[in-house]
Amino acid sequence: ETGVTQTPRHLVMGMTNKKSLKCEQHLGHNAMYWYKQSAKKPLELMFVYNFKEQTENNSVPSRFSPECPNSSHLFLHLHTLQPEDSALYLCASSPRGQVTYNEQFFGPGTRLTVL
Amino acid sequence: GIQVEQSPPDLILQEGANSTLRCNFSDSVNNLQWFHQNPWGQLINLFYIPSGTKQNGRLSATTVATERYSLLYISSSQTTDSGVYFCAVEQGDSNYQLIWGAGTKLIIKP
Repeated sequence: ETGVTQTPRHLVMGMTNKKSLKCEQHLGHNAMYWYKQSAKKPLELMFVYNFKEQTENNSVPSRFSPECPNSSHLFLHLHTLQPEDSALYLCASSPRGQVTYNEQFFGPGTRLTVL
Repeated sequence: GIQVEQSPPDLILQEGANSTLRCNFSDSVNNLQWFHQNPWGQLINLFYIPSGTKQNGRLSATTVATERYSLLYISSSQTTDSGVYFCAVEQGDSNYQLIWGAGTKLIIKP
């Protein structure tokens, strides 16, 4: 595997379900990000992790719970979601702090539908 | 906060045509990236270009940091160039957060 991978690619869940999204980066980066992209809206940054520590939480509801066990893996745990949470969830990584530039690279996304 | 504006919002061209996409930003930046989002949602890095000019095949980009704009040029368009092109910038005091433009939706007709 190369770059940034995400699983699953598609997910349909009910409002009472609990599921998790997984992201893995193979680029040796130390920063990882979760973004949400709803239809006809710009990308919204949800969470940022740097060296496994959460550095940003952009007022995301508690029904979204991130986990970063190491610099290569990032999870987004989902529970009691609402239909308006249906969106494309994108993971990214970057070499933040390692070099003078901070280019972000994205995974293919998980398209989530909440029924 | 910084504002990022992209133009045009929509562009429809015939295969083989050339195009110029523009990104204006309202304050100084230390990072600017251009992305192509394909119809399946994948964001593909095109250029990391906080200043200067870069070329990659049929695509090139120029950022004039002092005048706060960046241009993306696509020459000899192909149908696979269709999708949404995003510009995203990062300021020095933004804690590494990218601020995104609304995108330019490009449709290349065969």
